[in-house]
Amino acid sequence: GNSVTQMEGPVTLSEEAFLTINCTYTATGYPSLFWYVQYPGEGLQLLLKATKADDKGSNKGFEATYRKETTSFHLEKGSVQVSDSAVYFCALRTSYDKVIFGPGTSLSVIP
Amino acid sequence: NAGVTQTPKFRILKIGQSMTLQCTQDMNHNYMYWYRQDPGMGLKLIYYSVGAGITDKGEVPNGYNVSRSTTEDFPLRLELAAPSQTSVYFCASSYDTGQEQFFGPGTRLTVL
Repeated sequence: GNSVTQMEGPVTLSEEAFLTINCTYTATGYPSLFWYVQYPGEGLQLLLKATKADDKGSNKGFEATYRKETTSFHLEKGSVQVSDSAVYFCALRTSYDKVIFGPGTSLSVIP
Repeated sequence: NAGVTQTPKFRILKIGQSMTLQCTQDMNHNYMYWYRQDPGMGLKLIYYSVGAGITDKGEVPNGYNVSRSTTEDFPLRLELAAPSQTSVYFCASSYDTGQEQFFGPGTRLTVL
């Protein structure tokens, strides 16, 4: 079946550190991939997306590349800020147009 | 634009009580969704709707009901609240299936 796996959190980083949050997926066909972010007390909002293999999504300094050969969509940022503290969700859209979310990874950035 | 709004923000129910979680969107989206978010479990789809008058079950529909009489509104009904329904509930909408979903701020429900 279709599924999304993310690295377990919480992740705690110092400001300006490099961030990687791993995401791997299992899906039939050619899914679209997404990263959503949830700031404290708010709903999820789309951070970036990629619709085909080798696409790179980017937004607000975050990047993720759709790697079909490794079925991965890892989220990266070169220098995190305190304001990036949030929960990050990897998600995929299946060939049947259903969106499946991963369990989320909590990130805390300390000054 | 207000986007997706949900009421109430918080609610405590006793076992067996019923309530309706309200959701309204002003983006003229056809697709609307209800999710529940349990700690460390991500989001589970409860029900979704592809347009006014059309609803369908998601992964975890038991204990819930929905209706979609207008494009804007998609209320979620809990008929006999149980402790297992303690969760944070999110409503979302999208222009088309698989497109970006816009989420409301959530309703935190506790059943005691």
